[in-house]
Amino acid sequence: NAGVMQNPRHLVRRRGQEARLRCSPMKGHSHVYWYRQLPEEGLKFMVYLQKENIIDESGMPKERFSAEFPKEGPSILRIQQVVRGDSAAYFCASSPPLGGSKTQYFGPGTRLLVL
Amino acid sequence: SQQGEEDPQALSIQEGENATMNCSYKTSINNLQWYRQNSGRGLVHLILIRSNEREKHSGRLRVTLDTSKKSSSLLITASRAADTASYFCATDRVGTGGTSYGKLTFGQGTILTVHP
Repeated sequence: NAGVMQNPRHLVRRRGQEARLRCSPMKGHSHVYWYRQLPEEGLKFMVYLQKENIIDESGMPKERFSAEFPKEGPSILRIQQVVRGDSAAYFCASSPPLGGSKTQYFGPGTRLLVL
Repeated sequence: SQQGEEDPQALSIQEGENATMNCSYKTSINNLQWYRQNSGRGLVHLILIRSNEREKHSGRLRVTLDTSKKSSSLLITASRAADTASYFCATDRVGTGGTSYGKLTFGQGTILTVHP
């Protein structure tokens, strides 16, 4: 059973470009979470999704950021018109349907660098 | 202070010694989880302790939870150089009707260095 997959692992963008980060949850997991980690800091929650639904986006910046988890395919975190302050590690986690332990399993992260 | 704060911020010990890290939080929780992160890598789940549990063991790890003090501790016994990493606690807060919010709230982490 493969773990949570994220790609790309590293992404370099110039200011104003778009960044697309992908996350494939563990098999059987229907809940996906995105977190952002700035250097020397802990992870900050961004958004919680189930298939075709955004459950909680309270941690998402109001502008330029969006996330989706379509019926088929990976979850996508999209950052439009990136700025230097978007440089961070973005982690995706997945968990099984509610009723279980709710342990979240994390992917290796995508490290975004905005030049 | 923030939900899920670790203490100390950094800990340096010799191989074979025990390492204790503490975590405090503010709100009611469903569970508390500890994760390890090696430099530049992803997070590895270590252990989950539910709000109705007081102590849990996994190999060389021992986690305690005191809900009256809203605090938890992670003890690593007989540490090894390979235990060098950042350790984070994360809380799953109680939502409306006693449900889970789903999201985890992380602390700033404790950087553990184990010298050979």
